[in-house]
Amino acid sequence: GAVVSQHPSWVICKSGTSVKIECRSLDFQATTMFWYRQFPKQSLMLMATSNEGSKATYEQGVEKDKFLINHASLTLSTLTVTSAHPEDSSFYICSASYGNQPQHFGDGTRLSIL
Amino acid sequence: GQQLNQSPQSMFIQEGEDVSMNCTSSSIFNTWLWYKQDPGEGPVLLIALYKAGELTSNGRLTAQFGITRKDSFLNISASIPSDVGIYFCAGPPPGRDDKIIFGKGTRLHILP
Repeated sequence: GAVVSQHPSWVICKSGTSVKIECRSLDFQATTMFWYRQFPKQSLMLMATSNEGSKATYEQGVEKDKFLINHASLTLSTLTVTSAHPEDSSFYICSASYGNQPQHFGDGTRLSIL
Repeated sequence: GQQLNQSPQSMFIQEGEDVSMNCTSSSIFNTWLWYKQDPGEGPVLLIALYKAGELTSNGRLTAQFGITRKDSFLNISASIPSDVGIYFCAGPPPGRDDKIIFGKGTRLHILP
């Protein structure tokens, strides 16, 4: 149980394009979804928290206009990296939780901006 | 900001050895979580601890919630090659049950 699917797993695109990453909870309804970024050999850093039907809460230093989050249903959240640049290249990981249960993570999306 | 300090940063062991790692904080945590991350994948929850003094096992893994609520340890017995990876402790920072923060991880390597 508690499977979280993330898509795509890997994307390469040109600088200036926008990239959308999907996060789905497959076998449970996620009241909250989280988006993290992880640089090589570093820990996971929380970018934002989203609850279904409401605006995402962004962590300090994360640009909300750069990283657009939509949480349209209890099983789907999307992260759009707008006008991506090479410094946005990273491993993006989503997680989902139900109530106070621990977060379960997707397999991540490796984003490479050329 | 709030930090979780993991020790050691990395470990090189022989297959079959037992492993011990810990996580400390300067503040009290009400929940301790241990995750494992394999290369190129997301973290997988290993053990969740909710009560001071709690000792919980998951197969060859055992974790304890420290009595002071400021630390937790994870032990792995009789290590096998698939134990290789990064082990993260995590927990909701004081006053913030709506999110968790992660330690910097302990990288486990098994020598051939």
